[in-house]
Amino acid sequence: DQQVKQNSPSLSVQEGRISILNCDYTNSMFDYFLWYKKYPAEGPTFLISISSIKDKNEDGRFTVFLNKSAKHLSLHIVPSQPGDSAVYFCAASTSGTYKYIFGTGTRLKVLA
Amino acid sequence: DVKVTQSSRYLVKRTGEKVFLECVQDMDHENMFWYRQDPGLGLRLIYFSYDVKMKEKGDIPEGYSVSREKKERFSLILESASTNQTSMYLCASSSPGTGTHSPLHFGNGTRLTVT
Repeated sequence: DQQVKQNSPSLSVQEGRISILNCDYTNSMFDYFLWYKKYPAEGPTFLISISSIKDKNEDGRFTVFLNKSAKHLSLHIVPSQPGDSAVYFCAASTSGTYKYIFGTGTRLKVLA
Repeated sequence: DVKVTQSSRYLVKRTGEKVFLECVQDMDHENMFWYRQDPGLGLRLIYFSYDVKMKEKGDIPEGYSVSREKKERFSLILESASTNQTSMYLCASSSPGTGTHSPLHFGNGTRLTVT
């Protein structure tokens, strides 16, 4: 049972435009969400996080939105750059546990 | 800056061999994790440890064991390697934080091929 889902395996965006990556979850106990970026042959790198008490968190070009009623979060990258081309994973966790549940990833390609 | 080091980038082993994957972190983190990454399946948790000599099963522990004798080192053991354990293995660490969640810091991964 996939508790964290990224339904789009891939996404292509023109340089300078907005990239929107989506993530859905089923477990209402999740209260902390993260996004990771992964380049080939490297480990995932932490990008941005959001707690369930917020609905938005921004860090430079990256903004994460959380819609608890829809159990949906999204990552917006504006403006997109070719160096953003990578696989993006969302992950979720519940307070009191150390476990993170990851989605299956979305491969973003930013076209120059 | 947190550094998580996995001892091998690439490994090729034969079916039935006992395989050790080593991971060391330098930030005095209490928590350490082993994930495997497979196409279309994302990252799946194999085992984790929240203290020395403590271990907890993740979602896919079958065929694996772990060892945490020292705080900085977390080893993943494949008791008898099989071809379905061919995968990218990722080690991660985190600190418990102070009432808040703490992101995972990953190593660069070990690509294991079992033939």
